[in-house]
Amino acid sequence: EAGVVQSPRYKIIEKKQPVAFWCNPISGHNTLYWYRQNLGQGPELLIRYENEEAVDDSQLPKDRFSAERLKGVDSTLKIQPAELGDSAVYLCASSFVTQETQYFGPGTRLLVL
Amino acid sequence: DQQVKQNSPSLSVQEGRISILNCDYTNSMFDYFLWYKKYPAEGPTFLISISSIKDKNEDGRFTVFLNKSAKHLSLHIVPSQPGDSAVYFCAASAKSYTGNQFYFGTGTSLTVIP
Repeated sequence: EAGVVQSPRYKIIEKKQPVAFWCNPISGHNTLYWYRQNLGQGPELLIRYENEEAVDDSQLPKDRFSAERLKGVDSTLKIQPAELGDSAVYLCASSFVTQETQYFGPGTRLLVL
Repeated sequence: DQQVKQNSPSLSVQEGRISILNCDYTNSMFDYFLWYKKYPAEGPTFLISISSIKDKNEDGRFTVFLNKSAKHLSLHIVPSQPGDSAVYFCAASAKSYTGNQFYFGTGTSLTVIP
């Protein structure tokens, strides 16, 4: 069974530029999470989807971050415009609605110059 | 406000010995706890979990212990192997009206010395 797929794996952009990350969860997983992980820290939730509905986006900086999960399958996370402090690893994870365990993708490492 | 804490940033253990990784939490509403293992340039991989109704769960060389009164859990790896060298994250979840919310610790970097 394929795991969570993320692309790109690495991205280097200049500040004020837009950037987008894509995630395809494990087949059949209704819950999708986007996390941000700064160096030396644990993952911090940005947004959680149940199917196509964003049920928890309280930690998403909505002035510059947006996300969508059309058709309740794959998802896109966008930053516009990017700032230096957005440099981090962006992780996508998925799980069954009723299952506690999340499965993570490899992450996208973003560097904003 | 860090609800899940891993106070040891790093740990070194000789191959064949026991590795003990610790985790403390503050929220008494947490009812499920997980350990993830992360290699460089990869995403965290699920390792083992435990429900709050249990105090121990074992899977091969990995055992997780939960002490609810102390709000403390630990991961034991016996015997430790060089391939266990990685960063280990403790996570806890609590149910909310929107579903399960997960909180992660800052990780402990384990080095198993051959």
